Amino acid sequence: AQSVSQHNHHVILSEAASLELGCNYSYGGTVNLFWYVQYPGQHLQLLLKYFSGDPLVKGIKGFEAEFIKSKFSFNLRKPSVQWSDTAEYFCAVSRSNDYKLSFGAGTTVTVRA
Amino acid sequence: GAGVSQSPSNKVTEKGKDVELRCDPISGHTALYWYRQRLGQGLEFLIYFQGNSAPDKSGLPSDRFSAERTGESVSTLTIQRTQQEDSAVYLCASSLYRGGNQPQHFGDGTRLSIL
Repeated sequence: AQSVSQHNHHVILSEAASLELGCNYSYGGTVNLFWYVQYPGQHLQLLLKYFSGDPLVKGIKGFEAEFIKSKFSFNLRKPSVQWSDTAEYFCAVSRSNDYKLSFGAGTTVTVRA
Repeated sequence: GAGVSQSPSNKVTEKGKDVELRCDPISGHTALYWYRQRLGQGLEFLIYFQGNSAPDKSGLPSDRFSAERTGESVSTLTIQRTQQEDSAVYLCASSLYRGGNQPQHFGDGTRLSIL
């Protein structure tokens, strides 16, 4: 079975600091990759996605992620975080043409003002 | 509204009781998914509906769990004879159509607590 690993359970940082959240998956074939975010009291929202093409994808709110096929990774980055980025972040993977998403356990990000 | 709607938002019930959770997908979305999220864990796939096709029930953890969907409308997830390990947030998502590259849009979830 496919698995998705997120390396950090909880990240605490100050405003303007840079953020990088790790995500690795175990499936060796073609995959679709997603990052979802859940802000406090809100539902899961799509942050960005990768299907093919440029491995560096840009999402909403200044986030980007880089797909490195050789490392089975899809790390999320933001150069300068804001207090409003406090949320839980989930990496998700599906096989090409498969609707089933496998989610990581999530990383809670707390940004201190 | 424009998003996926789930009800109730919270449900507390005694062990052994049956519960029914409801999901109203985004209008026009043919694909509907149910997930379960236990405390501190990622989402687990439960079941998938696509139009009038037979649902994919491969993620249902036991025969106490069942779900229905009529056409492309509302879906209900039923848990019979609830157990304490059923306590979790149950999330529903919909997407425009089936496909690995279709973003799924999530509801707010139902937080189920079994006493």
